[in-house]
Amino acid sequence: EPEVTQTPSHQVTQMGQEVILRCVPISNHLYFYWYRQILGQKVEFLVSFYNNEISEKSEIFDDQFSVERPDGSNFTLKIRSTKLEDSAMYFCASAGQGATGELFFGEGSRLTVL
Amino acid sequence: QKEVEQNSGPLSVPEGAIASLNCTYSDRGSQSFFWYRQYSGKSPELIMFIYSNGDKEDGRFTAQLNKASQYVSLLIRDSQPSDSATYLCAVKYQGAQKLVFGQGTRLTINP
Repeated sequence: EPEVTQTPSHQVTQMGQEVILRCVPISNHLYFYWYRQILGQKVEFLVSFYNNEISEKSEIFDDQFSVERPDGSNFTLKIRSTKLEDSAMYFCASAGQGATGELFFGEGSRLTVL
Repeated sequence: QKEVEQNSGPLSVPEGAIASLNCTYSDRGSQSFFWYRQYSGKSPELIMFIYSNGDKEDGRFTAQLNKASQYVSLLIRDSQPSDSATYLCAVKYQGAQKLVFGQGTRLTINP
C-alpha cells in the first residue's frame, strides 16, 4: 500500500541551527502539506503546496520556514533558525486529485530544539 | 477563525459497547468531514470521511453528519481495546485544500 515516508524520525538540534525535514509523498498525489503537533496539543496546519508553489500557509509559517519540492519525489520543510518553541512532531501529508480531499500522513519527524 | 471543537475526554467505554464521539464546526461553508485515529506517539490515520448529510457506515464505524446543526459524530460499535486512541475530527472548508483539526477526544476501551 502506498505511503508517505519522512526522514529523519527524530532530530535533536541546538537553538539557532537550521533544520531540514524530508518527505516523500505518495507518488500520484498532487497536494502536499506540512502540519505540526506540539506535545499534548492539536494537529496544526503549517503550509500546503500545489503545482510547485505554496497554495496556503498559516500564521505559524513565518519567514523562518520554507518549503521546496526539489525533484519529482521529495518535499522538504526548512526551518532556518530554530527556536525552543519549534520543538514538535512535524507531519507531512499528501492528497490526490479527488474532491473529497482526504489527507494521508507520514509517520512524522520529531524535532527537539535544545 | 474557523474552529473545530471536540470534547477532549477522556471517554471511557466498556469493551463491546458503542463509543460515541462528537464534533462541532463553526463554518457553514464546510465541505468534507474526516475522522482520524491517532495512537500515542503516532501519526493520524484516516478512518473515514463524509460529505453528505446522514449516516455513512464502514464496518464497525458509522459517521453521522448534520450540516444544519454543524455537527458530525463517529460511532464505534463492538468497541475493542485496540480502539483505545485519540480520535481527531477534521474539516475541509469550501475553497480550501487544508484540513482543520479539532483537539481530539481520547477514548479508552476497558476490557
